[in-house]
Amino acid sequence: QKEVEQNSGPLSVPEGAIASLNCTYSDRGSQSFFWYRQYSGKSPELIMFIYSNGDKEDGRFTAQLNKASQYVSLLIRDSQPSDSATYLCAVNVGWTGNQFYFGTGTSLTVIP
Amino acid sequence: EPEVTQTPSHQVTQMGQEVILRCVPISNHLYFYWYRQILGQKVEFLVSFYNNEISEKSEIFDDQFSVERPDGSNFTLKIRSTKLEDSAMYFCASIEGSTDTQYFGPGTRLTVL
Repeated sequence: QKEVEQNSGPLSVPEGAIASLNCTYSDRGSQSFFWYRQYSGKSPELIMFIYSNGDKEDGRFTAQLNKASQYVSLLIRDSQPSDSATYLCAVNVGWTGNQFYFGTGTSLTVIP
Repeated sequence: EPEVTQTPSHQVTQMGQEVILRCVPISNHLYFYWYRQILGQKVEFLVSFYNNEISEKSEIFDDQFSVERPDGSNFTLKIRSTKLEDSAMYFCASIEGSTDTQYFGPGTRLTVL
């Protein structure tokens, strides 16, 4: 069973604060890890991907991966009201590396 | 900027009818995917497609479902005999191949009555 677990929230942070989103996955064969943002009624929009253990920064976003703990996180610095959305963690598994599983998402609200 | 397109945006059908959902992936992409998202639930992988054949499929993708790339641009998902529980948003996605970064289409909302 390929599981991707996220805290569904809702998570509320004040504007300008750091939002921390967490994700765990069950399949040790997982190759790559993704964070998507999804607004209500819209399709997922890629924020970041990470392949290797450690941190990866892109603007206000930092993804962190720990394969030993099967854990991936996303930090959003200087949170803005426009960051309010559901954040989806996705993992690429499968022997061809061609099978993606999503978590249920964490709902984030940034309060002005 | 190139994008994945999907038609129709909303499809209403009667239970037991066949539906075909259409997608046009980004033109130089090689891998294609279908997902569904039931309202309020997670995005669920259905199937991946590469080199004109199914690469991987989930337990959800049973004999009721089929995929096809009938020409060089379209990628279709057929649901043979729709059930009420097939009501969901269906997303198509594609990957170029040099990375596994997926680009999603806007989705088709399928309503089965």
